[in-house]
Amino acid sequence: DIQMTQSPSSLSASVGDRVTITCRASQSISSFLNWYQQKPGKAPNLLIYAASSLQSGVPSRFSGSGSGREFTLTISSLQPEDFATYSCQQSYSAPYTFGQGTKLEMK
Amino acid sequence: QITLKESGPTLVKPTQTLTLTCTFSGFSLSTSGVGVGWIRQPPGKALEWLALIYWDDDKTYSPSLKSRLTITKDTSKNQVVLTMNNMDPVDTATYYCVRRLTASGSYHHWFDPWGQGTLVTVSS
Repeated sequence: DIQMTQSPSSLSASVGDRVTITCRASQSISSFLNWYQQKPGKAPNLLIYAASSLQSGVPSRFSGSGSGREFTLTISSLQPEDFATYSCQQSYSAPYTFGQGTKLEMK
Repeated sequence: QITLKESGPTLVKPTQTLTLTCTFSGFSLSTSGVGVGWIRQPPGKALEWLALIYWDDDKTYSPSLKSRLTITKDTSKNQVVLTMNNMDPVDTATYYCVRRLTASGSYHHWFDPWGQGTLVTVSS
């Protein structure tokens, strides 16, 4: 199985901050990497697919980059509604594993 | 509008078999490239992919759970059913149904949208 490791596991930030979350794969996965946002008690919501493609309807302050083993999710200017948990997921090979999640909290 | 909704028991006893149904609308599981899958999340823990069924009836399972899982589809009813046998308290989780999409001409795929999830508790 491909292991996905996110850092940090939690992050405190303020509205307006630029935030970056990292996801590392245990082996190269090319650009087969997706990002999801999850709010408490809700299902995850797709933000980014294929490492850098913004899902329709997702604000442009979200962006993804990377290939191979290291990927980043960046929020350019945090908004109040962005405080949530973010998870990466590899779609390179089954089982399609997720990172452990990064909880973004308000400072 | 594309929706998926999970249904099934909220409480099962250890060793019992769990049967969950995903009823979806707004898309067809007959369309090339489309799949429907299941993902679970134990309370406070990470997401875990379980199984996928594709438009052509191909299926993939998590290797660690493959012996316990069966996924089937009823295209005429727009339903996908997941069964998991020999349930254990560690299987307590919210179970999500998801649509699997792929880009035309690409191997990339992703899960969107997700159902609201259903919490299944395993306890005697």
